[in-house]
Amino acid sequence: QQQVKQSPQSLIVQKGGISIINCAYENTAFDYFPWYQQFPGKGPALLIAIRPDVSEKKEGRFTISFNKSAKQFSLHIMDSQPGDSATYFCAASSSGNTGKLIFGQGTTLQVKP
Amino acid sequence: KAGVTQTPRYLIKTRGQQVTLSCSPISGHRSVSWYQQTPGQGLQFLFEYFSETQRNKGNFPGRFSGRQFSNSRSEMNVSTLELGDSALYLCASSVGRDRVRTEAFFGQGTRLTVV
Repeated sequence: QQQVKQSPQSLIVQKGGISIINCAYENTAFDYFPWYQQFPGKGPALLIAIRPDVSEKKEGRFTISFNKSAKQFSLHIMDSQPGDSATYFCAASSSGNTGKLIFGQGTTLQVKP
Repeated sequence: KAGVTQTPRYLIKTRGQQVTLSCSPISGHRSVSWYQQTPGQGLQFLFEYFSETQRNKGNFPGRFSGRQFSNSRSEMNVSTLELGDSALYLCASSVGRDRVRTEAFFGQGTRLTVV
């Protein structure tokens, strides 16, 4: 019940295309869903986060869509650029465990020029 | 504002030894969480410290321990190292107020190799 399942494992997109990464969770106590971006040799960096009281959040080219009833959320990267090539992790936490993030397995994104 | 600093960046240890990793959080942050990252298991939560107290713990054996000092700096210790402990160890700091969600910022990690 603590798991967050992420798909796909890897993704190749052409420059200018839309990258879509999906995550699903079981624990209904989760109430915070961040996405992290990680480049080789670096720690994860927070991209964007959403709470279940909204269905969508957009920041620049990055959008999170959230479906509470389906217990799914996804990251859309619009106009994907080669500089977006990285590993993306979805995560979740609950208000009773604010310092504990449960991560998905990660998606390696390659944006081809 | 300085980010999260982890030292050392790289470590090579022999099986059976012990190791101590250090994490200095962002100034003003009182919560420090530790994660283990491996290709097979991904990012797994080890434990969280807040105001010098362990507030949360993951499913790791007792060989993994940590502590936090009054200046919020944290250390984690792994005793009796095993080959499977080879991983990138990440710490994340946040303001950490109770029941108030605050962003977690990660350091660059310590790459531990056990031979």
